[in-house]
Amino acid sequence: SQQGEEDPQALSIQEGENATMNCSYKTSINNLQWYRQNSGRGLVHLILIRSNEREKHSGRLRVTLDTSKKSSSLLITASRAADTASYFCATVNPTSELSFGAGTTVTVRA
Amino acid sequence: DTGVSQDPRHKITKRGQNVTFRCDPISEHNRLYWYRQTLGQGPEFLTYFQNEAQLEKSRLLSDRFSAERPKGSFSTLEIQRTEQGDSAMYLCASLGQGKTGELFFGEGSRLTVL
Repeated sequence: SQQGEEDPQALSIQEGENATMNCSYKTSINNLQWYRQNSGRGLVHLILIRSNEREKHSGRLRVTLDTSKKSSSLLITASRAADTASYFCATVNPTSELSFGAGTTVTVRA
Repeated sequence: DTGVSQDPRHKITKRGQNVTFRCDPISEHNRLYWYRQTLGQGPEFLTYFQNEAQLEKSRLLSDRFSAERPKGSFSTLEIQRTEQGDSAMYLCASLGQGKTGELFFGEGSRLTVL
């Protein structure tokens, strides 16, 4: 079974707008990661946030983590058509197993 | 290109046949993971290796599935007596020693069982 659940399942935005997606998980984690997957391709790591961190930035990406609510959010600012992809959160448990959610499919319209 | 390569990229087979997938991880990475992904879903953990030792196997990995990493370098995932439900993308990923960070994924091997 998958640990995380992303919300929404799909998101369609205009180029230049921000995209926000959320991830909820069930058990304790060491860290939480976000990955991106273009259609038919492998996953690419975007950003990692440790369980003792609350917010992290990388370029146009901003990730937050609330361990009390067992949730995380990924914000992509000033979206571009090239950001069209599926985004997955992945939780790493104390035994280092990485578990993925079902993903959010983001479509950025030009 | 992440440095992880998988072969073949696509495999079409008839039900009942055996198939084998190969993964070549980044050379200095000692951890290697196999995941399965079906359409519209996230990757599901199958198994992982630390060097040549297979440390964990998912309940998804039935008796028809076997994975090896004989010399701690490349790995193979074999599916015997394939079923239509085995149709999926099989993803391999590797992780460096002592790291708790990002997995490096290959492009995957897509299996279609007719």
